[in-house]
Amino acid sequence: GEQVEQLPSILRVQEGSSASINCTYENSASNYFPWYKQEPGENPKLIIDIRSNMERKQTQGLIVLLDKKAKRFSLHITDTQPGDSAMYFCAASGYAQGLTFGLGTRVSVFP
Amino acid sequence: GPKVLQIPSHQIIDMGQMVTLNCDPVSNHLYFYWYKQILGQQMEFLVNFYNGKVMEKSKLFKDQFSVERPDGSYFTLKIQPTALEDSAVYFCASSPGQQNTLYFGAGTRLSVL
Repeated sequence: GEQVEQLPSILRVQEGSSASINCTYENSASNYFPWYKQEPGENPKLIIDIRSNMERKQTQGLIVLLDKKAKRFSLHITDTQPGDSAMYFCAASGYAQGLTFGLGTRVSVFP
Repeated sequence: GPKVLQIPSHQIIDMGQMVTLNCDPVSNHLYFYWYKQILGQQMEFLVNFYNGKVMEKSKLFKDQFSVERPDGSYFTLKIQPTALEDSAVYFCASSPGQQNTLYFGAGTRLSVL
């Protein structure tokens, strides 16, 4: 199986600044690392993902980094906006496994 | 984008009764999943399903749980009998292949009284 640790659990950032969430995993066979955003009462939605053949990926104000040696991956939200306030979940998956999610980070963007 | 539909959105039942949660996955997807989320907590993997069979299940997938997708219809999660600790939101997800993006439904909130 897989275990995913996610920190911090709560993150308050000022609008316009950046927010960073860090995750670690245990199973070196995991090779797919998606990030999901979940708003209250809604389903989780994929916002960005990275596979083990990459170290960095960027899209629309989001950057993900993957350090396979340290078994660590992170999400960086640049220039945060009020609409970025939500729960964020990291996840890891290996071959033929379901996704294992972290505990989540509640991000709050204040003016 | 692709949509996974879950029916019903909310189900209230008495402890000990049977409940079936229905999921209509994205039409060309081959892999199906159920996750359980207790309010404010992480989503926990229950089971994944491919080609008519359970591929992997977690410790949370108790003997009272079963899944099936008869003849390409709804992908269902059945709990029989239900227990109080089964109260949670159950999310169905589907993906076109292994290690592809999972698309989640809106969830079914199950309340066991």
